[in-house]
Amino acid sequence: DIQMTQSPSSLSASVGDRVTITCRASQRISSYLNWYQQKPGKAPKLLIYAASSLQSGVPSRFSGSESGTDFTLTISSLQPEDFATYYCQQSYSTLYTFGQGTKLEIK
Amino acid sequence: VQLQQSGPGLVKPSQTLSLTCVISGDSVSSSSATWNWIRQSPSRGLEWLGRTYYRSKWYNDYAVSVKSRITFNPDTSKNQFSLQLNSVTPEDTAVYYCARLAVTGTASHAFDIWGLGTLVTVSS
Repeated sequence: DIQMTQSPSSLSASVGDRVTITCRASQRISSYLNWYQQKPGKAPKLLIYAASSLQSGVPSRFSGSESGTDFTLTISSLQPEDFATYYCQQSYSTLYTFGQGTKLEIK
Repeated sequence: VQLQQSGPGLVKPSQTLSLTCVISGDSVSSSSATWNWIRQSPSRGLEWLGRTYYRSKWYNDYAVSVKSRITFNPDTSKNQFSLQLNSVTPEDTAVYYCARLAVTGTASHAFDIWGLGTLVTVSS
């Protein structure tokens, strides 16, 4: 299976901060990398697909980028509703795998 | 598109866990999507369990971790798909989600539609 490793596992930040979350794949996955946001008691919500494409309805402060097997989710200016857990997921292999999550908390 | 899940929240060890996902706004036999089950637990995180899809015939793919115990059944008459997981243990306690993965168009190769989730507890 392709392993997805996220860092950090948790992060404290303030409203208005710029935040970056990283996901590293254990092998090449081209751009088959997606990002999700999950709030307590809710299903994950798709934010970014194909590494850098913004899902319809998602605010433009969210962006994604890639460099080799490293992928980055950036939130340009944190809003109160952004405090949640974020997951990456690869769809290069049909044995889909997720990262372990990054919990974004209010400082 | 919406996915509505149903099924019991408590299953006894060694018994069978059964969940159903009813699709509205799309078709279980769509050639542009696959229909997936994913579970989430504190110990295992988000774990993809498998998918069912139609491409002139039905295909099922299962995760290695559950392959010997799991079955998916699509039902075109009710536009739904179901999960059966046999011989459950407390380690199968998790929130179970059904989800669509589109294979064409925008948001392709991502889980763009999710059910609300069903907490299933395995306990006697």
